[in-house]
Amino acid sequence: GEDVEQSLFLSVREGDSSVINCTYTDSSSTYLYWYKQEPGAGLQLLTYIFSNMDMKQDQRLTVLLNKKDKHLSLRIADTQTGDSAIYFCAESIRNNDMRFGAGTRLTVKP
Amino acid sequence: EAGVAQSPRYKIIEKRQSVAFWCNPISGHATLYWYQQILGQGPKLLIQFQNNGVVDDSQLPKDRFSAERLKGVDSTLKIQPAKLEDSAVYLCASSWGAQNTEAFFGQGTRLTVV
Repeated sequence: GEDVEQSLFLSVREGDSSVINCTYTDSSSTYLYWYKQEPGAGLQLLTYIFSNMDMKQDQRLTVLLNKKDKHLSLRIADTQTGDSAIYFCAESIRNNDMRFGAGTRLTVKP
Repeated sequence: EAGVAQSPRYKIIEKRQSVAFWCNPISGHATLYWYQQILGQGPKLLIQFQNNGVVDDSQLPKDRFSAERLKGVDSTLKIQPAKLEDSAVYLCASSWGAQNTEAFFGQGTRLTVV
């Protein structure tokens, strides 16, 4: 199975907040990432957090990290239809060797 | 700034045939990665180069997969012979260094083995 786990689907209404959750297994992870993948496109880095932080905010995005529970979340405020995509959580331990979850497909309904 | 370029975008081959993918990373990026993304899964690292040297190829099926980055710039990934389970999107990514926090991804090559 995946070392990094995410729920597969999330559906929200436009304007609501979205929260995508992720659990990882390696406590020595140094960086944790959120990537976005739109259909037919490569992965786009949205944000990342260093393991000694517990929160990072970047405009509509808020990342929360709970190292004790190995839990990472991505909150998207005021979700728009353009936010519909697959969101991947990833961890890296050394040498930027990222391990990805299976992705959460976010659907935003108008 | 030009992004990571990959070709071809799509490839369909029969099992046991050979196939090669090409990647041109962002100019100046020393680190190059090849990932395999099977439908419904997250990307899995196949190989990581630092300049023209291999940093990590522990998950590369070396009996059939090979990759090179001879001049430390562009790279090719080859599969010979292909199996049905190799059907996937092959993503190339690059970053400034091995400890860099941001890797930039290309659009990928979608391989279908029939």
